[in-house]
Amino acid sequence: ELKVEQNPLFLSMQEGKNYTIYCNYSTTSDRLYWYRQDPGKSLESLFVLLSNGAVKQEGRLMASLDTKARLSTLHITAAVHDLSATYFCAANFGNEKLTFGTGTRLTIIP
Amino acid sequence: KAGVTQTPRYLIKTRGQQVTLSCSPISGHRSVSWYQQTPGQGLQFLFEYFSETQRNKGNFPGRFSGRQFSNSRSEMNVSTLELGDSALYLCASSLGQYLSGYTFGSGTRLTVV
Repeated sequence: ELKVEQNPLFLSMQEGKNYTIYCNYSTTSDRLYWYRQDPGKSLESLFVLLSNGAVKQEGRLMASLDTKARLSTLHITAAVHDLSATYFCAANFGNEKLTFGTGTRLTIIP
Repeated sequence: KAGVTQTPRYLIKTRGQQVTLSCSPISGHRSVSWYQQTPGQGLQFLFEYFSETQRNKGNFPGRFSGRQFSNSRSEMNVSTLELGDSALYLCASSLGQYLSGYTFGSGTRLTVV
């Protein structure tokens, strides 16, 4: 069965701290995506990871991919309030269907 | 560059009715995918259309259907609405080629009462 699992489901962290969201997937994936969703809004694309060892960074967010471990991480550095949102990882498994993780609701506390 | 346009933004329907949602992809994109998002089930894939053909289908009942027109615009239809169909419906636009990414529309919030 094709599965994408994220943890934690909820994350409350203080401003200025670092933390990591984990995304495991069940079988070989073509591509791994990270999206951000604000309440009541659509999905905003953050990163697309294509190959083993891929690392991408944008501002305080950095995503990496380990295809051997079937693991992607989203690392948050020195969190700020504006990063409060729900973050989803998603994967393709040989076709155009995206399988999403459960999402991580991130709350940054001043 | 225009983004993905979904209409309407909000809908309220009564159980048993049917509804049609529309999605206009980014110009030049030939693939449109539809997703349902609910608090309980999360984001689930409904179907994907490419060049007017359904290429992939998720595990939803036959009440959920879709189509794509020659200009790549897509519609999805839900017949005999149930309370459980209340959700945010998102469409995603893509070139439909290997390694192309997805851009999501703002979604249609459907409430069934």
